[in-house]
Amino acid sequence: GESVGLHLPTLSVQEGDNSIINCAYSNSASDYFIWYKQESGKGPQFIIDIRSNMDKRQGQRVTVLLNKTVKHLSLQIAATQPGDSAVYFCAETGGGQNFVFGPGTRLSVLP
Amino acid sequence: GAGVSQSPSNKVTEKGKDVELRCDPISGHTALYWYRQSLGQGLEFLIYFQGNSAPDKSGLPSDRFSAERTGGSVSTLTIQRTQQEDSAVYLCASGREFDKTQYFGPGTRLLVL
Repeated sequence: GESVGLHLPTLSVQEGDNSIINCAYSNSASDYFIWYKQESGKGPQFIIDIRSNMDKRQGQRVTVLLNKTVKHLSLQIAATQPGDSAVYFCAETGGGQNFVFGPGTRLSVLP
Repeated sequence: GAGVSQSPSNKVTEKGKDVELRCDPISGHTALYWYRQSLGQGLEFLIYFQGNSAPDKSGLPSDRFSAERTGGSVSTLTIQRTQQEDSAVYLCASGREFDKTQYFGPGTRLLVL
């Protein structure tokens, strides 16, 4: 069945370094992907999205890479800051409005 | 502008009681979603409303769970005869028609004793 999973449940990085959060998905029909950031006690916040007709999309300090061949999605955060500490979720959908969310990766930024 | 709001922010109830959770979506958003998030877990889809269309209830875990959306705006998620395994954060999100971006509320933390 469908599944969206993350390779690492936790990630610790030094402040100023780049962070890479990975996500694997199994539904080859998935055509839209979103990364969300969830801070403690808050709802998920949209970070960046990408459609399946793209391999890369950049935002402010964030880049999402999509490799459809191996069904892999990654979120890169440049110059990680303490405010980036949160749980990051990837989510995918295959054309409908029902999103499948991964279990999340907790990013900890070390001073 | 105002974001998605949910109430109550926290709810403690006894096993077997019914609870109602409320979601106020962003004004003008036609799509509304309910999710459940257990401790340390990802989001589990529950139900989806889009305009006046019949809701997608495929994620509701049992017939104890139901949701309504009145007037295309406010939504209420009702859990009847609550069980301890219902303890979780219930998140609501809204979105514009034809736009898959979802805007989440802060959630309601439900604890069933």
